[in-house]
Amino acid sequence: ETGVTQTPRHLVMGMTNKKSLKCEQHLGHNAMYWYKQSAKKPLELMFVYNFKEQTENNSVPSRFSPECPNSSHLFLHLHTLQPEDSALYLCASSQEDGDYEQYFGPGTRLTVT
Amino acid sequence: AQTVTQSQPEMSVQEAETVTLSCTYDTSESDYYLFWYKQPPSRQMILVIRQEAYKQQNATENRFSVNFQKAAKSFSLKISDSQLGDAAMYFCAYRSLQGGSEKLVFGKGTKLTVNP
Repeated sequence: ETGVTQTPRHLVMGMTNKKSLKCEQHLGHNAMYWYKQSAKKPLELMFVYNFKEQTENNSVPSRFSPECPNSSHLFLHLHTLQPEDSALYLCASSQEDGDYEQYFGPGTRLTVT
Repeated sequence: AQTVTQSQPEMSVQEAETVTLSCTYDTSESDYYLFWYKQPPSRQMILVIRQEAYKQQNATENRFSVNFQKAAKSFSLKISDSQLGDAAMYFCAYRSLQGGSEKLVFGKGTKLTVNP
């Protein structure tokens, strides 16, 4: 266990559904991240939050909507997704005035039907 | 923009032998961090080893060591005395130290198989 938890671990949703992914870190870190991991592609950074403020949006489609209510929690709200959005979604956290190591959660395996 | 290249999609090694995973990167910066992460099947990604670019000495962590060649922009990972538990995807990552740039840039990964 890395101190970063994600729920749900698996999610199947239709293209018209609305769902949310949740991430929680118990490490006292000040930065949190969403990544998309697809087969045979590098991890793609989606969003970065530093002290609850979004500092990076890596040209992510608006059907993905992040929310960071506090430094320990991060959500990814999903609506009207496409089949190509099926992937493993990883959350990570780090201490940005420390050693920059990112601690990853186990991921949510998302399938869009 | 920085890029990270892992030229070996898959590697295999016999248990107890040594294997080296390759990583090259492209950057115009002089100070940065480099990381190797390990992602076992269906398990969380964890940090294996970290190297600060300003340090000339290669980082080591038990059976894991790196060969950091700054001029060549090369950052290979050596795993000695390979164990079955080392089987995983290994990702090389670059971290800029420029202000306001918190992101890691990852390579595509190398899948390591350890044969008994």
